Amino acid sequence: DAGVIQSPRHEVTEMGQEVTLRCKPISGHNSLFWYRQTMMRGLELLIYFNNNVPIDDSGMPEDRFSAKMPNASFSTLKIQPSEPRDSAVYFCASSLWDQPQHFGDGTRLSIL
Amino acid sequence: QKEVEQDPGPLSVPEGAIVSLNCTYSNSAFQYFMWYRQYSRKGPELLMYTYSSGNKEDGRFTAQVDKSSKYISLFIRDSQPSDSATYLCAMITGNQFYFGTGTSLTVIP
Repeated sequence: DAGVIQSPRHEVTEMGQEVTLRCKPISGHNSLFWYRQTMMRGLELLIYFNNNVPIDDSGMPEDRFSAKMPNASFSTLKIQPSEPRDSAVYFCASSLWDQPQHFGDGTRLSIL
Repeated sequence: QKEVEQDPGPLSVPEGAIVSLNCTYSNSAFQYFMWYRQYSRKGPELLMYTYSSGNKEDGRFTAQVDKSSKYISLFIRDSQPSDSATYLCAMITGNQFYFGTGTSLTVIP
C-alpha cells in the first residue's frame, strides 16, 4: 500500500522566496494534517483538514503560511515570503476520521 | 502544564535490556493512546495504539495505559540495536491531537 507521499524531500532556498510543499494522503483517508518538527519545539500541528475543509489552523505561525486541499488526494503548504526561522522538517499525515495518523517522510526545509 | 509530558532522554541501554518509556497526560477525555517510532530522517511510524486501560502486546512491544493515573508506558523486551530511534507518545480526543516531545533511545550492541 502506498503511504503518505511528500515532495520535495529536501528544499534549500534563499530568504524571501516562495516555498511550496506537497502532500498526497493515503487513499480513503479523509483527514489530513500538516506538522512542523524542530529540535527545540518537537512536533507542532500547523493545520488540519477534514473532507478537504480546513478545521483548525490555529497552529499556523503567521500570515506567511497558507495551506490548501483542492481535492481528497492533494494538499499544499506554502510559505511566502520564507524566513530562516522557517527552517524545519515539515510532515504531512493522514487518517480516517479520528483514527491514528500515518505520516509521510517529511520535507527538510532550509532557508538561507 | 502541557497536555502531554514525555521525558526527552536520551536513554542508552545495552542490547537485550528491557526498556520502559513513559508519558503522563492531564486531559481525562483522551480516547486513543498511541506510540510512534521515528528513525533519523524519517517520518513517525505508528507502532501501537489502544483505546482502553490495560495492556496490549505485539511481539517484543507492550503498551500499557493507566487512565486512573493518566499514565501510559511502552515496554520493549530484548531490545535490539534496530530499536534505536525516537519514540513519541500521542493521544487523541475528538478532533484534538497531542504528541509528546519524544524520547531518544539508543541500544548499544
